[in-house]
Amino acid sequence: ETGVTQTPRHLVMGMTNKKSLKCEQHLGHNAMYWYKQSAKKPLELMFVYSLEERVENNSVPSRFSPECPNSSHLFLHLHTLQPEDSALYLCASSQDRGQMNTEAFFGQGTRLTVV
Amino acid sequence: AQKITQTQPGMFVQEKEAVTLDCTYDTSDQSYGLFWYKQPSSGEMIFLIYQGSYDEQNATEGRYSLNFQKARKSANLVISASQLGDSAMYFCAMRETGAAGNKLTFGGGTRVLVKP
Repeated sequence: ETGVTQTPRHLVMGMTNKKSLKCEQHLGHNAMYWYKQSAKKPLELMFVYSLEERVENNSVPSRFSPECPNSSHLFLHLHTLQPEDSALYLCASSQDRGQMNTEAFFGQGTRLTVV
Repeated sequence: AQKITQTQPGMFVQEKEAVTLDCTYDTSDQSYGLFWYKQPSSGEMIFLIYQGSYDEQNATEGRYSLNFQKARKSANLVISASQLGDSAMYFCAMRETGAAGNKLTFGGGTRVLVKP
């Protein structure tokens, strides 16, 4: 496998459920990210991990809990979500060299529906 | 205030014609990077082209070119010779100095539909 892989691709969960989104990158990158893409809103950066340390948390509700066990894997644990949390969740990775021209590589996303 | 503004929510373009997608940005940094991504219906964000704030020449990548006007803080994407496969959402993004990791701030996107 190459690139950034996200599972599952689609997820329907009730508001009382607990689920996890998984992201795996095979690019040897040292930084990983979670973005939320809602309808009619710009992509929102949720979390940033660099060298497995969380370096940014953009005021995300505590019902979203990230985990980065190693540089290749990133999880987003979900619990007691709300219907407005329904969105496309995109994972990305990059090689952070402190340079401006480092692009992020994205997975295909998990389409989450909260019912 | 939005850092990245894409004023065109949607556009139609005839196959084989060129299309320009607008992007304006707001930053007080001197060093920053501008990116364009394509998002087809499959959901994956595909990197297209990059322009650094100190780059003197406009970036080009195949059929993609970036019309960078630093004083006006605009970084418009030009797609030449449009193809049906170009139908997708297009996002402009910016990375600023000092941002942790590769923090990209995205605009709201422009949906492009190429007509045969």
